[in-house]
Amino acid sequence: DIQLTQSPSFLSASVGDRVTLTCRASQGINILLAWYQQKPGKAPKLLIYGASTLQSGVPSGFSGSGSGTEFTLTINSLQPEDFATYYCQQAHSYPLTFGGGTKVEIK
Amino acid sequence: EVQVVESGGGLVQPGGSLRLSCAASGFMSSTYAMSWVRQAPGKGLQWVSGITNSGGTYYTGSVQGRFTISRDSSKNTLYLQMNSLRVEDTATYYCAKNLYGTGSYNDCWGQGTQVTVSS
Repeated sequence: DIQLTQSPSFLSASVGDRVTLTCRASQGINILLAWYQQKPGKAPKLLIYGASTLQSGVPSGFSGSGSGTEFTLTINSLQPEDFATYYCQQAHSYPLTFGGGTKVEIK
Repeated sequence: EVQVVESGGGLVQPGGSLRLSCAASGFMSSTYAMSWVRQAPGKGLQWVSGITNSGGTYYTGSVQGRFTISRDSSKNTLYLQMNSLRVEDTATYYCAKNLYGTGSYNDCWGQGTQVTVSS
């Protein structure tokens, strides 16, 4: 199975900050990676797929990059509604797998 | 509106069985791959099982041989039959529609159904 390691596990930031989250794959997955946002008690929401394609309706302040084994999710200017947990997920091969998540908290 | 709604969760003893259902609306679920993803209390997301538009089925290792994913196209409904349940299967189970016909990205999620395995 492909393992995804996210870092950091927790991130404390302020409104307006620019933050970058990282996801590393245990083997090359081309660009077959997605990012999700999850808020407490809610289902995850797809933000980015194909490593850098913004899902319809997602604010342009979110961006993704990377290929192979290293990927990043950048939030350009943190808004109050962006404080949540973010997960990466590989779609290269079954079983599909998620990273452990990065919780973005208010400083 | 594209929507999926899960049902069938509940409390079950270890070794017992449950069948989860996922009713799709606003799209033909047989056209897309569909997934079950679970989240144990306070933990991260774990992909559990998926079915492609051609009927191929896949499972994570810890449920292989115990869980069975299936779909009824006439009812536009996805199922997850869970047998030999263990305490560690306790989680919220989400049904999700994939963007494409084969395993990919989950663009529409249900609200989840709670499964508790306890004696």
